[in-house]
Amino acid sequence: EPEVTQTPSHQVTQMGQEVILRCVPISNHLYFYWYRQILGQKVEFLVSFYNNEISEKSEIFDDQFSVERPDGSNFTLKIRSTKLEDSAMYFCASSEPGTGYEQYFGPGTRLTVT
Amino acid sequence: RKEVEQDPGPFNVPEGATVAFNCTYSNSASQSFFWYRQDCRKEPKLLMSVYSSGNEDGRFTAQLNRASQYISLLIRDSKLSDSATYLCVVSRGDYKLSFGAGTTVTVRA
Repeated sequence: EPEVTQTPSHQVTQMGQEVILRCVPISNHLYFYWYRQILGQKVEFLVSFYNNEISEKSEIFDDQFSVERPDGSNFTLKIRSTKLEDSAMYFCASSEPGTGYEQYFGPGTRLTVT
Repeated sequence: RKEVEQDPGPFNVPEGATVAFNCTYSNSASQSFFWYRQDCRKEPKLLMSVYSSGNEDGRFTAQLNRASQYISLLIRDSKLSDSATYLCVVSRGDYKLSFGAGTTVTVRA
């Protein structure tokens, strides 16, 4: 069964450093997403991406964040200058268009900012 | 008002029991509805989409009441493996998913 994969599974970084989280969506999916979940809190939408551009972003997704699809398989989330409050689990998801928006999630990257 | 509200539980039930819980959503423009399950520190996994007519998938039954803006999930013949947090998720049709905080279910032997 096809699945979304993410690397690394755990990233530790110092405040102010840049991090890149990587995702490989399901191969025939065209919509890609990033969500985050701070420990003990609900899953929150960050950004959706389609046709090589952002289709929607949340208030959380400020200028410190960017997304990119650098090639035909990877989808990345970059945080330019990490803050302590960026510590969270980051989930990538993907979906086909026209299937009721069923999104399938990767296993997540746990980001710890020290 | 929260976009999606759920009773956090926990619901502690014996194996074989039936457990049911609801969630409510605030945006009447919501178009798509889902139940996901999340195990501790893992990713949300799609359990089922919820359709207006209600739908069933094995031991799981989901209902949608658009007039009252609530969604329900019923689990029959609970198994130990059903222990998880169940996330109520809605979408306005713009591909962004809005998650509830989850309902914790613990099935005991």
